[in-house]
Amino acid sequence: EAQVTQNPRYLITVTGKKLTVTCSQNMNHEYMSWYRQDPGLGLRQIYYSMNVEVTDKGDVPEGYKVSRKEKRNFPLILESPSPNQTSLYFCASSSSGPGGSQYFGPGTRLTVL
Amino acid sequence: AQSVAQPEDQVNVAEGNPLTVKCTYSVSGNPYLFWYVQYPNRGLQFLLKYITGDNLVKGSYGFEAEFNKSQTSFHLKKPSALVSDSALYFCAVRDPDSGGYQKVTFGIGTKLQVIP
Repeated sequence: EAQVTQNPRYLITVTGKKLTVTCSQNMNHEYMSWYRQDPGLGLRQIYYSMNVEVTDKGDVPEGYKVSRKEKRNFPLILESPSPNQTSLYFCASSSSGPGGSQYFGPGTRLTVL
Repeated sequence: AQSVAQPEDQVNVAEGNPLTVKCTYSVSGNPYLFWYVQYPNRGLQFLLKYITGDNLVKGSYGFEAEFNKSQTSFHLKKPSALVSDSALYFCAVRDPDSGGYQKVTFGIGTKLQVIP
């Protein structure tokens, strides 16, 4: 089954404690992206990756890092989480090209205390 | 810079009636436009897209959308709403003519409530 998986699905942590949210896709997609969803703000793009070792900033990259060492994986790293990063996070992937429709993971609900 | 506007936070429609969820966009070039749906506690699912060609595009679950270049709109429509269509709907845009077409901009979402 074609899918994007994220782990963990729920996470409560404290300010400053480094964390990683994993994302993996099994569709051999070149393009992957991270979003955060906040009430009244919709989805905002954090980082995206066009292929292995190729990443770039989206609209809200501050406080986040990513890496793309393998085509199927695109982890999101919060090195020093803060309460304003409390949000619902989605990973997505698509085939290359601007016309590719994205497949989304189930989401990770992060709470930073 | 590209942007998307969904002017209605919520749309209420009676079951069986036609529905419209509005979306307008702004890009420097020719847009690639998408609609996604999010059911409670789920990720987003692709509904339909406009790339080029016929302005009326058909998608999943009986939805369709009409691209109107002069009005820079891409409204989502369905002839007869179902209670199961109740969800959060997102419009999104990519600008393939810009060097950064990898950037995807979403609207803030419109909650569709279909009343039995």
